[in-house]
Amino acid sequence: AQKITQTQPGMFVQEKEAVTLDCTYDTSDQSYGLFWYKQPSSGEMIFLIYQGSYDEQNATEGRYSLNFQKARKSANLVISASQLGDSAMYFCASDAGGTSYGKLTFGQGTILTVHP
Amino acid sequence: NAGVTQTPKFQVLKTGQSMTLQCAQDMNHEYMSWYRQDPGMGLRLIHYSVGAGITDQGEVPNGYNVSRSTTEDFPLRLLSAAPSQTSVYFCASSWEASNQPQHFGDGTRLSIL
Repeated sequence: AQKITQTQPGMFVQEKEAVTLDCTYDTSDQSYGLFWYKQPSSGEMIFLIYQGSYDEQNATEGRYSLNFQKARKSANLVISASQLGDSAMYFCASDAGGTSYGKLTFGQGTILTVHP
Repeated sequence: NAGVTQTPKFQVLKTGQSMTLQCAQDMNHEYMSWYRQDPGMGLRLIHYSVGAGITDQGEVPNGYNVSRSTTEDFPLRLLSAAPSQTSVYFCASSWEASNQPQHFGDGTRLSIL
């Protein structure tokens, strides 16, 4: 079974600043994927970024990057140059093969508020 | 671009009633799944399907049934609604079951009185 922990219930950042959202995971699988999703107040789930466990480079997608530290089992999301539209709930999630095949496990989420 | 379509968007039921939440995708994805989201919690997997005719249980399957007769559709059935099933339900799909980002529908907000 996998477990995702997001220890920051809420985070605040000034517009145009960078912010890091923490995520740690616990899995015994060798092959797994790590995901970040954004959920704005309108409720939809928006995929942001993906990191495979065998990827040597940290994933990047525009202003989003994933700081992947395999030995520490952490997959922190870094948002650069924050915008007001980044205010939302952010979820870290993981999936894996083996007994966890087909099962995406989510953390409890972090609410990000961007101040002007 | 339709993507993943969920209907209805809102529903109010009385305890004991049954209903079906509909989910359809037009991306020819093999993998589909249902999640529920409760206040202050992340999404929890209810049931999933790795292809037509194949379904399996997730983390919280009790009180729900699913079937997958076509690649496009994956309905979720509440057999006898209970107040504990008040939640927001999301359907998702992807090319494969693992290591692929899942595309989510807009959700169904369900209240059981």
